[in-house]
Amino acid sequence: GAVVSQHPSRVICKSGTSVKIECRSLDFQATTMFWYRQFPKQSLMLMATSNEGSKATYEQGVEKDKFLINHASLTLSTLTVTSAHPEDSSFYICSARGRWADTQYFGPGTRLTVL
Amino acid sequence: RKEVEQDPGPFNVPEGATVAFNCTYSNSASQSFFWYRQDCRKEPKLLMSVYSSGNEDGRFTAQLNRASQYISLLIRDSKLSDSATYLCVVNPLPGSARQLTFGSGTQLTVLP
Repeated sequence: GAVVSQHPSRVICKSGTSVKIECRSLDFQATTMFWYRQFPKQSLMLMATSNEGSKATYEQGVEKDKFLINHASLTLSTLTVTSAHPEDSSFYICSARGRWADTQYFGPGTRLTVL
Repeated sequence: RKEVEQDPGPFNVPEGATVAFNCTYSNSASQSFFWYRQDCRKEPKLLMSVYSSGNEDGRFTAQLNRASQYISLLIRDSKLSDSATYLCVVNPLPGSARQLTFGSGTQLTVLP
């Protein structure tokens, strides 16, 4: 199956710093990438959808100025958590989908801990 | 009402048992249905798609009932390695980029 990578896999940072997470599709062109967040014992919650070359569409309740998403190429999307706070600590997962595909492929996730 | 609802679980079953998970979805226009598996602290991985005619993959059988808006997953001869959280996933908007609504998951533990 298709491979999606995420980097870093784990990050611990101080409150107030910004953290960038990269999501790459390794063997296909991802026209659409999705960013999810998952808190312990809860399901995945979609944060935003990004199409290559256009602005991301954010879900209700997700602050676009706090979670900056860039999808500049067909193989790379980045999520930057700006001025992170302890309540932003979570498991962030990206997924990618090709133009004609119905299936999304998930990255391995990034565990963010904000102290 | 949640868009996708699953059995709350957890399910604790002995090795070799048969276990079934159920899921209902609220949007009758939904077109695509999937079961994903998520291991602890890992990303979800596609287990199988679900088709109207029902489909089987080894020990796993998925069924879709569009009239009742109901999806099921049956696991036969369960193995220890089947222990995971099983996510019922629905694509509510065909052809749209806003896809994949996840159920809250059903946790399965297969006991030796």
